[in-house]
Amino acid sequence: GIQVEQSPPDLILQEGANSTLRCNFSDSVNNLQWFHQNPWGQLINLFYIPSGTKQNGRLSATTVATERYSLLYISSSQTTDSGVYFCAVDRPENYGQNFVFGPGTRLSVLP
Amino acid sequence: DVKVTQSSRYLVKRTGEKVFLECVQDMDHENMFWYRQDPGLGLRLIYFSYDVKMKEKGDIPEGYSVSREKKERFSLILESASTNQTSMYLCASSNGQGSEAFFGQGTRLTVV
Repeated sequence: GIQVEQSPPDLILQEGANSTLRCNFSDSVNNLQWFHQNPWGQLINLFYIPSGTKQNGRLSATTVATERYSLLYISSSQTTDSGVYFCAVDRPENYGQNFVFGPGTRLSVLP
Repeated sequence: DVKVTQSSRYLVKRTGEKVFLECVQDMDHENMFWYRQDPGLGLRLIYFSYDVKMKEKGDIPEGYSVSREKKERFSLILESASTNQTSMYLCASSNGQGSEAFFGQGTRLTVV
């Protein structure tokens, strides 16, 4: 089956620093999403980005589908950015839809 | 605002009990999913449904069943809860292959 890798596994930053999180996937996909898991466990949608580049405030993401990777950029990080960031890819199926999640990047932003 | 709502945030049940986890979405989505999340194992798909009364096994269906009688509601059933089913359960919905998925707030289930 499709493999999804994320790097780095852990990241510690000072407030105000920038960071780049990476997601590699082993096969072609229909969709790729980035999520932030908050301290209560809910997955918050950041980007729906099967290809191209998107920006939302201090966050932006780029997916290069032909090279099977996606990057999430966080600029001017804040303590509220702390948590686990997941990428998830939608593997092609004959019916329905099926997401495979990466193992996540745990981000800690220190004041 | 899109919304996926899970019936409980925290739940404590006894071994052997029948447990129902309910999930409702208000977006008229075709697909609904149940995942469990465990430390070191990540998120794993239990079951998904692509239409009313239709269901497909995911990666770890053993010990679980599901029900989708109405489009907006997808229930996860633990027929006889066991301690190894203590976990965080996450429900999601989407509108078909390649479309964006949205998650509920999660249910942290403890089986004692």
